[in-house]
Amino acid sequence: QKEVEQDPGPLSVPEGAIVSLNCTYSNSAFQYFMWYRQYSRKGPELLMYTYSSGNKEDGRFTAQVDKSSKYISLFIRDSQPSDSATYLCAMSVPGGATNKLIFGTGTLLAVQP
Amino acid sequence: EAQVTQNPRYLITVTGKKLTVTCSQNMNHEYMSWYRQDPGLGLRQIYYSMNVEVTDKGDVPEGYKVSRKEKRNFPLILESPSPNQTSLYFCASSPTVSHEQFFGPGTRLTVL
Repeated sequence: QKEVEQDPGPLSVPEGAIVSLNCTYSNSAFQYFMWYRQYSRKGPELLMYTYSSGNKEDGRFTAQVDKSSKYISLFIRDSQPSDSATYLCAMSVPGGATNKLIFGTGTLLAVQP
Repeated sequence: EAQVTQNPRYLITVTGKKLTVTCSQNMNHEYMSWYRQDPGLGLRQIYYSMNVEVTDKGDVPEGYKVSRKEKRNFPLILESPSPNQTSLYFCASSPTVSHEQFFGPGTRLTVL
């Protein structure tokens, strides 16, 4: 079983839709939870992060962590064609010396104009 | 502009021919890592470095070497590439052991 599971999609939605992207994980030691966005032929860039449980909002994006269910989500409101990308969830254990992030495999999102 | 650069961006080579992928960052970051990205497997850490002359293995180090002689540079060396090392490679840096890693643009390597 992988430590982090993510539906690969692809997910296709019309412009303006609300998008929900999800990951599940098995390691209860994870405390940092991140979402990276990766455009085609580019490196991943950090979109949002949360520490431990709860919600965090940044503009049209909301990150949610439910540690009891080992489940994290990223919501995108009023989705735009420019949001079309692969979204990667990532997690890490605090205090680790390896600086290692454990990534999901990514969900490919296409927002149709 | 703060950035991580990698060279080359694309490389096609043959089995056994030694190659080096360079990585450089201009943010004075302590930590640097190399990842490979494969379909269905996601990003996996190959090697990491906590500072100059300090490196250690990640999850998939076999067939790779690294060095950290200067803070800004972290080259990835494939002494004898094999077809199973065909992949998309990313270098990343961060100021501390933290979640916010800054990634380079990637190097697409094909080993024939």
